[in-house]
Amino acid sequence: NAGVTQTPKFQVLKTGQSMTLQCAQDMNHEYMSWYRQDPGMGLRLIHYSVGAGITDQGEVPNGYNVSRSTTEDFPLRLLSAAPSQTSVYFCASSYSGGTGANVLTFGAGSRLTVL
Amino acid sequence: AQSVAQPEDQVNVAEGNPLTVKCTYSVSGNPYLFWYVQYPNRGLQFLLKYITGDNLVKGSYGFEAEFNKSQTSFHLKKPSALVSDSALYFCAVRDNNSGTYKYIFGTGTRLKVLA
Repeated sequence: NAGVTQTPKFQVLKTGQSMTLQCAQDMNHEYMSWYRQDPGMGLRLIHYSVGAGITDQGEVPNGYNVSRSTTEDFPLRLLSAAPSQTSVYFCASSYSGGTGANVLTFGAGSRLTVL
Repeated sequence: AQSVAQPEDQVNVAEGNPLTVKCTYSVSGNPYLFWYVQYPNRGLQFLLKYITGDNLVKGSYGFEAEFNKSQTSFHLKKPSALVSDSALYFCAVRDNNSGTYKYIFGTGTRLKVLA
């Protein structure tokens, strides 16, 4: 299994540009989520999904959109990037039954800079 | 609302000494509690979890944590620190009574083990 794969690893945007951070998992996890990590702020939940077709907002959802059309993919869209969205973004997934349940598996992260 | 507090930004300990990284939480009902570790420029790795049962849980790399319901704490401990334990540690909680399935993280504690 590849686990949780995030692309791109690095991205530089100009203010107002749009982009999509991709997240894919091959573990058949029903739960997927996006976090941003900022110095002194820890990890803050942006959006999450408990299954295909179901998404909900986290702690800091403004400026971000998500969709979950398949179990495997959970893209994060920035419609009009702002400098405040400069951060490192992590995708994480988990499942609810059996050994290892409820443990989040994280991707390697995507570092986004908005100029 | 759920919240997690890690009151220490940094903990310094000498190699071979015991270490404690503190975590307190605020959540309704019976939470799931987790510790994760992040090494420089890496994603987060799972260390241990408390779901139910014995209040003392053991995890990877010799770490353990004690769930204390009355003090709403879940402190991470290790009897003898190693220089290689130096990293950023995150406590996380999942509220299981509201059906939100949100995993909320603390702000992180940087552990520095001195040789």
